[in-house]
Amino acid sequence: NAGVMQNPRHLVRRRGQEARLRCSPMKGHSHVYWYRQLPEEGLKFMVYLQKENIIDESGMPKERFSAEFPKEGPSILRIQQVVRGDSAAYFCASSPGAGPSNQPQHFGDGTRLSIL
Amino acid sequence: GENVEQHPSTLSVQEGDSAVIKCTYSDSASNYFPWYKQELGKRPQLIIDIRSNVGEKKDQRIAVTLNKTAKHFSLHITETQPEDSAVYFCAKGAGSYQLTFGKGTKLSVIP
Repeated sequence: NAGVMQNPRHLVRRRGQEARLRCSPMKGHSHVYWYRQLPEEGLKFMVYLQKENIIDESGMPKERFSAEFPKEGPSILRIQQVVRGDSAAYFCASSPGAGPSNQPQHFGDGTRLSIL
Repeated sequence: GENVEQHPSTLSVQEGDSAVIKCTYSDSASNYFPWYKQELGKRPQLIIDIRSNVGEKKDQRIAVTLNKTAKHFSLHITETQPEDSAVYFCAKGAGSYQLTFGKGTKLSVIP
């Protein structure tokens, strides 16, 4: 049973470019969460999605950042016009369902985004 | 009431000794408390979790205790081994989904 798959593992972008991060949840999981981790800090919640729905995006910056989880295919975290401060590790997690089934969340290996 | 305070930020122990990491919070809604281990450059891995209807849970050398009245929970690792060296994160959740993480404890087990 494959775990949460994220790609790419490393992504380098120049300021002003777009970054697209992908996440495929564990088999049987329909709930996806995105977190951001700065060096030597904990993970900070960004957004929670179910298939075709954004449930909570309270942790995501209102500008330049967007997320989707289409009916088919992986969840995408998109950052437009990247700036140096966007450099971080972005982790995706998934869980099977709502309520108590939301936990535990299982994490992918992350995408390390570097902005030149 | 949103944050989780985690202490210590770094911890060094001799192999075979015990390690204890403590987290505190202030809200009353949190009812789920997982602990994650993260090795350098790797994913956070769930090592143990506890829900607010129990006070203690153990899994081999790892145990978690929860004091909901005092709003703190702790991770206990006994008989530490070099492979326990990593960064450990506590987290809390309320209701269904959003986890709030502590800032982490870097544990070094000295052979």
